[in-house]
Order: sequence, then structure tokens, then C-alpha cells
Amino acid sequence: DIVLTQSPDSLAVSLGERATINCKSSQSVFYSSNNKNYLAWYQQKAGQPPKLLIYWASTRESGVPDRFSASGSGTDFTLTISSLQAEDVAIYYCQQYYSTPLCSFGQGTKLEIK
Amino acid sequence: EVQLVESGGALVQPGRSLRLSCAASGFTFDNYAMHWVRQAPGKGLEWVSGINWNGGTIAYADSVKGRFTISRDSAKNSLYLEMNSLRPEDTAFYYCAKDASGLHLFYFDYWGQGTLVTVSS
Repeated sequence: DIVLTQSPDSLAVSLGERATINCKSSQSVFYSSNNKNYLAWYQQKAGQPPKLLIYWASTRESGVPDRFSASGSGTDFTLTISSLQAEDVAIYYCQQYYSTPLCSFGQGTKLEIK
Repeated sequence: EVQLVESGGALVQPGRSLRLSCAASGFTFDNYAMHWVRQAPGKGLEWVSGINWNGGTIAYADSVKGRFTISRDSAKNSLYLEMNSLRPEDTAFYYCAKDASGLHLFYFDYWGQGTLVTVSS
């Protein structure tokens, strides 16, 4: 089973500052035949369902602000919010789908305002 | 507009059964894989089960395999989760989620609001 470990578990960042969340996989989620990393990122605000932010490790979903970006390959991935806004307070999850039809989530990172 | 509306959540005793439904609209249901993802109160996300567009690929998390059954009805644009032998650890919000793919089980581009299942005596 692929285990995703996010760090940190919680993070407090000042408004306008950069926030960085990491996701480390227990094995590579890069599929060489199509040159894709099978990893997505979600945002979950309090009392709401999750929302897709990023897929294929770095492709931003339509409508997601461009202050959200993601990078990484193989086993190490990063979600970056370039300039934190108040509405970005949420829990962020990474998800791997390399083991399709199975998949798994990281434990989540709680992002707050400092 | 894509809409996923779950129903069927309830308080049930351990060992009993429950059936969840998800009514889908705003997209061509037959063309996409669908999933159930759960979240225990105050906890993280756990993928439960997925089914591709034609039911040819069905998968379950180890924690529910043999107890839960996923199915879909194209005539009703609906996804279902039949849950048997329920345990207290199955207590969670259950989300219906649409996959971005049809053939494969990949990632989730739309989510419902969830329905709460509580397993307790």
C-alpha cells in the first residue's frame, strides 16, 4: 500500500506570506509510460466537502486562483500558496491514484492565519 | 452545474445494514467513474470504493471489502453504497465523488455535501 505523509500537520502563516505544504509518498507515483505523477491536492474548508485544487501533481483545476501552485515528482511533492488570503484557511490533503483502482490520502495539513 | 446529492445516512446499530444513494445531475453520468469517500468526524479523508463508467472496474478499501457493495444505475443517474455488518468504526460522513475519468479510477473533481452514518447501540 502507498502511504502519503504530509508535513507539517499544521501551519500558521501571516496574510500575504507564502505557505508551503509537503507530501511524501512511500513509493514513487510517477508512471514513466506517460510521464505523469499520479497525485492530486484538495482543499477542505470547515463544514464543506473537499475541493480539487491540483491534479497530475502540477495542473491547476479550472477556477483555482493562480496563487496556488504545486510541484514535485516521484515521491516528494509540494503545494504552495504564494500569498496567503484569509479564505485559504482550510485543511489540505494530497491523494495518490498511482495504485489505481485503489487510492489513498495524506493525513491532512491544517493551515491557519498567524 | 454538476450536482451530487447523497441520502440515506442514519443512526444504525452495529451489525445492521444501510444503503446510501447519490443522485447525480449536470453531467453525463454514464461517462464517468464514481466513488465513495468517508470522513470520520474531526478526522481525515478515507477512500471507500470506486466504480468506473460501465461497472467493469470496481474496487474497495480493505477496511470495507466483503461488507460494502458499490453500484450504479444509469437510468436513474444514481450511485449506491450497500453497507452490511456495520461497525462503530464505520461512523463517518460519506461523500459521493465524481471522477475526472471514465475508464479509470483517478481523482475527484466534484464532491457532494455528504451524508452522516452513525453506528452505535
